[in-house]
Amino acid sequence: DTGVSQNPRHKITKRGQNVTFRCDPISEHNRLYWYRQTLGQGPEFLTYFQNEAQLEKSRLLSDRFSAERPKGSFSTLEIQRTEQGDSAMYLCASSFAGENSPLHFGNGTRLTVT
Amino acid sequence: GQQVMQIPQYQHVQEGEDFTTYCNSSTTLSNIQWYKQRPGGHPVFLIQLVKSGEVKKQKRLTFQFGEAKKNSSLHITATQTTDVGTYFCAGHGSSNTGKLIFGQGTTLQVKP
Repeated sequence: DTGVSQNPRHKITKRGQNVTFRCDPISEHNRLYWYRQTLGQGPEFLTYFQNEAQLEKSRLLSDRFSAERPKGSFSTLEIQRTEQGDSAMYLCASSFAGENSPLHFGNGTRLTVT
Repeated sequence: GQQVMQIPQYQHVQEGEDFTTYCNSSTTLSNIQWYKQRPGGHPVFLIQLVKSGEVKKQKRLTFQFGEAKKNSSLHITATQTTDVGTYFCAGHGSSNTGKLIFGQGTTLQVKP
């Protein structure tokens, strides 16, 4: 068990560019979550998958955000036409299915949009 | 939609003093989880409470779940500098969703 792995650790991009982040969950976990965190705030739910199915997506998430988990293992989060307001830490977490399973977070990808 | 609120946002204590953070949900929770995030780190799971009125202890930390399952608290006795960090509560609004909603956290600073 190597934990949840996220790449890259840091990403600096210019406004209007597209970015993609990758998350490799703990291999035994069938749920995978994406959260966004800004300074002084708690993790904000974006979306989650159970195996390859995307079960829920935040209504706050604009059409510029899309996430995939094609084979039920790793996941990617893409942000199209980035805006300065997208600057944040993007956290991935994984867990077993079931509401009583704790989330295991990765170290996150810090996005800076200039 | 469901909201989870925490107070206070910040707390500065002298080492050895006690600390409490409170968590309130706008809806009844099926369970409540607590996480700790050290400066520069990621949230790490501490504990989960499921039953109404449940109390759990981890060394100097005491966690409570309210009778109505809408509020919770974390109390640290005799804080140490290793307790520094941000403490988050998080809850599932209902039993048929995996969506976990986090509070905004309470950041604890401990003066040695």
